[in-house]
Amino acid sequence: QKEVEQNSGPLSVPEGAIASLNCTYSDRGSQSFFWYRQYSGKSPELIMSIYSNGDKEDGRFTAQLNKASQYVSLLIRDSQPSDSATYLCAVARRVRGSARQLTFGSGTQLTVLP
Amino acid sequence: DARVTQTPRHKVTEMGQEVTMRCQPILGHNTVFWYRQTMMQGLELLAYFRNRAPLDDSGMPKDRFSAEMPDATLATLKIQPSEPRDSAVYFCASGGTEAFFGQGTRLTVV
Repeated sequence: QKEVEQNSGPLSVPEGAIASLNCTYSDRGSQSFFWYRQYSGKSPELIMSIYSNGDKEDGRFTAQLNKASQYVSLLIRDSQPSDSATYLCAVARRVRGSARQLTFGSGTQLTVLP
Repeated sequence: DARVTQTPRHKVTEMGQEVTMRCQPILGHNTVFWYRQTMMQGLELLAYFRNRAPLDDSGMPKDRFSAEMPDATLATLKIQPSEPRDSAVYFCASGGTEAFFGQGTRLTVV
């Protein structure tokens, strides 16, 4: 079982729709959860961080965390063609003292159709 | 504008040659990660450091890869000897609570 799993997609949504991206993780000791966006040929860019159960909203993005289900999601409202990218889920777990290891899922490719 | 800086951005080398990739983390960040990204494997964690001390390099092929952090402003990843299967994009990321990526080094071994 992979430590962090995502549906690889591709996921296509029409412009203006809500895009829903999902991620599950295997280590119950995981503490911090992140979503990165990666455009083709570019480096991953951090777009959301979430540390406690519930929802966290930032503009058109909402991250949701359910530690009991070991599940993280990202919702993108009013999707735009510029949101077309690969979205990477990352999970941090404590390994030694306060040091944390950051592990990534394989990413979900999102296409927003004009 | 604080950012992680990686050099070189692109590297083409012949099989068997030594390759050194460099990373300047964001000032004040105490954790540095090295990742390799390929289409098949995605982002793989190779090694990481906290306060310049290596914490885990179990993701690296030990016989040919080495990672060091000689000072707080420089992390290096070396491959010797390089092989065609090492062709990938190598990313450095630094952070405290959150991690930020450099632009990557695209390595091609022919």
